[in-house]
Amino acid sequence: EAQVTQNPRYLITVTGKKLTVTCSQNMNHEYMSWYRQDPGLGLRQIYYSMNVEVTDKGDVPEGYKVSRKEKRNFPLILESPSPNQTSLYFCASSPPPSSYNEQFFGPGTRLTVL
Amino acid sequence: QQPVQSPQAVILREGEDAVINCSSSKALYSVHWYRQKHGEAPVFLMILLKGGEQKGHEKISASFNEKKQQSSLYLTASQLSYSGTYFCGTEMRNTDKLIFGTGTRLQVFP
Repeated sequence: EAQVTQNPRYLITVTGKKLTVTCSQNMNHEYMSWYRQDPGLGLRQIYYSMNVEVTDKGDVPEGYKVSRKEKRNFPLILESPSPNQTSLYFCASSPPPSSYNEQFFGPGTRLTVL
Repeated sequence: QQPVQSPQAVILREGEDAVINCSSSKALYSVHWYRQKHGEAPVFLMILLKGGEQKGHEKISASFNEKKQQSSLYLTASQLSYSGTYFCGTEMRNTDKLIFGTGTRLQVFP
């Protein structure tokens, strides 16, 4: 089954404790992206990647890191999480170019930082 | 830079029609529409490209006015299953960045 998977689905952590949210897709897509969703703000892009070893900042990259060592995986790293990073996170993938291809979203990761 | 969606919320009875608008201050190359059910991931509805035609998906269709940098989503004879939050995503040429609006919450009641 073609899908985007994220782990964990739910996470409660404390300020400053490094964490990684994994994202994997089995559709051989070049383009992958991370979004955060907050009430009233919609979906905001954190980082995106056009291909392996190619990443770029989205609109809200502060406090986040990503890496793209393999085509299928695009982990999101929070080196020192803070309460303002409490949010619902979505990973998405699509074939290039993203202009006229639908994005496939993962199920989401709900993160709470205390 | 984030597109503006209007209205923010819509309440309908089954069978009624609705229009959701998406406006940008930037010249657009494409507009995407997604629907998100509560607690689920956004699901793709359609993409409209600059210079492209109006698209449709069953009783949901959309248009893209390039001169006004606006797109509208038309929901005809709404069904209970149409309930959810609708997001437009806009992309400028050669940016590979899809920027989503803040969403329009649609509720359809029997």
